[in-house]
Amino acid sequence: GESVGLHLPTLSVQEGDNSIINCAYSNSASDYFIWYKQESGKGPQFIIDIRSNMDKRQGQRVTVLLNKTVKHLSLQIAATQPGDSAVYFCAENAASGTYKYIFGTGTRLKVLA
Amino acid sequence: DTAVSQTPKYLVTQMGNDKSIKCEQNLGHDTMYWYKQDSKKFLKIMFSYNNKELIINETVPNRFSPKSPDKAHLNLHINSLELGDSAVYFCASSQARQGAHEQFFGPGTRLTVL
Repeated sequence: GESVGLHLPTLSVQEGDNSIINCAYSNSASDYFIWYKQESGKGPQFIIDIRSNMDKRQGQRVTVLLNKTVKHLSLQIAATQPGDSAVYFCAENAASGTYKYIFGTGTRLKVLA
Repeated sequence: DTAVSQTPKYLVTQMGNDKSIKCEQNLGHDTMYWYKQDSKKFLKIMFSYNNKELIINETVPNRFSPKSPDKAHLNLHINSLELGDSAVYFCASSQARQGAHEQFFGPGTRLTVL
């Protein structure tokens, strides 16, 4: 089996509860942020994004909150399901319009039945 | 129907060998990327091409050489493989949308150097 992610922060939640995954960023020039989900053995998959002119954006069962004052991003997942178990990454652009994105360290979400 | 595909999925090779990983996207995107994900799941950009032109070249050993024959393909060639090159390599593509670049990732290539 895999021995990866030994130092990855882990969040364990009961099925049906809400999950909150946090991300801190340091680059004041970032104006676009993305949350990705990476399931075991797969590539990261886009979940939701937010631009810096917003502080909240909602998708289906997911909400992203952006606090530019403290450079903090969070992903809220409502009614967490077993299929939500994965590693979640936040990513920020290095500067406005740039192609370069910087990924956070990732958080492993474990959904307990 | 695969949007971003990579071959091979697994690559096991000896130190010192030269190997290539191929990537293709059928999304019509202008920009493609190579990322390296280490054993701690840290994902770091290596290269990016926009319309076959190199636009991002991070601090990567020059043993790594990307090549984009057309905007739908981005290959990665690695010379003189080292143990530390063992990782999962992801290809991605994006299309600029009002200055933002949502990236679509391939399934990854797990490289193991023995």
